[in-house]
Amino acid sequence: IAGITQAPTSQILAAGRRMTLRCTQDMRHNAMYWYRQDLGLGLRLIHYSNTAGTTGKGEVPDGYSVSRANTDDFPLTLASAVPSQTSVYFCASSDSGQYNEQFFGPGTRLTVL
Amino acid sequence: GQNIDQPTEMTATEGAIVQINCTYQTSGFNGLFWYQQHAGEAPTFLSYNVLDGLEEKGRFSSFLSRSKGYSYLLLKELQMKDSASYLCAVIDSNYQLIWGAGTKLIIKP
Repeated sequence: IAGITQAPTSQILAAGRRMTLRCTQDMRHNAMYWYRQDLGLGLRLIHYSNTAGTTGKGEVPDGYSVSRANTDDFPLTLASAVPSQTSVYFCASSDSGQYNEQFFGPGTRLTVL
Repeated sequence: GQNIDQPTEMTATEGAIVQINCTYQTSGFNGLFWYQQHAGEAPTFLSYNVLDGLEEKGRFSSFLSRSKGYSYLLLKELQMKDSASYLCAVIDSNYQLIWGAGTKLIIKP
C-alpha cells in the first residue's frame, strides 16, 4: 500500500453500538490525526497522536477514543454511537506535528440511526 | 476566539481567473495552508505560506499578508477539473491547525 488507508469505506450503525474505524499509514509518519467533516463546518480535529504511544484530545473528543500502539495504525473507537456522530471521518498523517503538510486517507462515511 | 473566514461558494468560467480569499483571526500565526478537496474525496495539499508575498506553483498561486490576516488562492486558466472545495488552514501560536469551512468553487463551461 502507499499512503493512508481507512476501513470501512462506509457504515450504517444502530445507535448505542460500538464501532472502530481503522486507519493505517505506510509513510512512517510520526503524527496522525482523526477529523470529522460536516457540511458547512469544515474539518474538526477529534484526536491526534504526535508519536507512537501518545495521544491527545482535539476540538471535539467527546464520545471518541483512540490508541496508538505502533507507528502505522491509529484506530478511532465510538464506544456507544449516537446520531450526532453521523459524519465523514478522515484520518491523516504528517511527518511531525500539525505544522507540516498532512496526507489524508479516503475517508469513512458513517451513518448512525 | 479563533476564526477563519472564506466565502461559502464561488462560480467562475472555464479559462478565466478566480481569487479565493481567506481572512483569519488566530492566537498567533505560524503558517497557512491551502488544500483542495474534490467532492467525495480527501483533501490534498496545494500550498503553504509563512512569509508575506506570493508563492506561485503552475496555474495556482497563494498570497499572504500577515499584517492584514489575509491570504488568497489564485487559480488561472480554469479547467473543469478545478471544480472542488478549497480549504484554508492556519497554524496558531501553539502549532495547532485551525481549519476554515472551505469555499466550493463551481466552474461553468
